[in-house]
Formats: sequence, C-alpha cells, structure tokens
Amino acid sequence: GESVGLHLPTLSVQEGDNSIINCAYSNSASDYFIWYKQESGKGPQFIIDIRSNMDKRQGQRVTVLLNKTVKHLSLQIAATQPGDSAVYFCAENGGGSNYKLTFGKGTLLTVNP
Amino acid sequence: EAQVTQNPRYLITVTGKKLTVTCSQNMNHEYMSWYRQDPGLGLRQIYYSMNVEVTDKGDVPEGYKVSRKEKRNFPLILESPSPNQTSLYFCASSNRGTQYEQYFGPGTRLTVT
Repeated sequence: GESVGLHLPTLSVQEGDNSIINCAYSNSASDYFIWYKQESGKGPQFIIDIRSNMDKRQGQRVTVLLNKTVKHLSLQIAATQPGDSAVYFCAENGGGSNYKLTFGKGTLLTVNP
Repeated sequence: EAQVTQNPRYLITVTGKKLTVTCSQNMNHEYMSWYRQDPGLGLRQIYYSMNVEVTDKGDVPEGYKVSRKEKRNFPLILESPSPNQTSLYFCASSNRGTQYEQYFGPGTRLTVT
C-alpha cells in the first residue's frame, strides 16, 4: 500500500534557530495531514493538522506547509527550544470518511543549547 | 484531568496465553484507536472505532481483536500472542469533528516470549 515517508531521519539544530521537518506522501486521495510530536517515553502529542484544500496553516510557533503538486508536507518550528527535542511524525488519512491514519517513520529533532 | 489510560503499562507473557490491554478515556470521545510502534516502522494502526459497537481494521489487524461496548473503553485483545506481537502499544481517542487531534495514552510495552 501507499505510505508516508520522511526525507531525513535526524535533524540537529541550535537553540533559537528555526527547524524544518519534511515529509513526502504518495496517496493523492489523502485530504488530511497531521503532525505529531513524541517525547521520549511518552505517547505522541498532536501538534497541528492541515486539510488538502489549504497550503499553509499556522499555530503557536509552528507552521505546516502543504505542496500537493509534489506531494510534500513540512513542519516549521520557529525559535526552536530544548523542549522541542522529540521525534516528529507526519500522518495522512488516505481520504474517505473513515478514521484510518498512516504514519511516517518519524524524524528525531535534537536541539542543542 | 482529561486523559487516556492504559493497563498494564508493562507486560511480559508467553506465546499463546490470551491477554487483554485495557484503554479508557474520560473525555467522552467518539473515536478511539489502537496503534503499535516498532523501531524503524513508526506507528501503525491496528484497529479503530468511530462509535460504540462500530469498529474497523487499520493497517495491521491480524492477531488482534477489539470491542467497543461502552464509549469510554476500547480493549485490545490478543487471543494467542506470538513473539512478533512484541511491541509498544498506544491507545488514542478524539472527538468527532476533530478526529485527527488524537489524545494518546502512555503506552503499554508488551513482550511475548
């Protein structure tokens, strides 16, 4: 089946820098894309989502960009802080009215003080 | 406190011995889901439920059963566990209308020998 993938498995940034985490998807039927953050030893935590009829959505210090032409999703974190260190997953819903979600394999973000 | 709880948090068992992992949420959420997380494979959805008595298969349902007799509970049943079901399991819940803003439990680490 189709799957969600990530360009980079690890990303290391300096505190205060902006971070960009990328994700490629291949299921053109997906109409919802979601980013989750997972800190060590904890369950994933919802960050932000975006519908396929949008190309940008902003939250608190985070921005998600969606490029349907190249099937690419990115999460931008502004002024990255040590507390942002975690694994970040993108996920897609595959379209339809069900509750199925397919997750990517994750990117480990490390923020250096 | 709004939360998703899972029990047990850790379990070591033997092949073939039936087990149940419980999941309960106190947020009156309609949607609930089970995931397994394995190194290098990310999160994979096992089963999901969109309401009481409504369940459906995710991407990796083989070897698992679920039930949704009450809105708050969504147990995961392994009738005959095998070593390839050794994994970290997460339960999640969400509201209708914001179904992808999932709240995850703390996880259950299962080892089948």
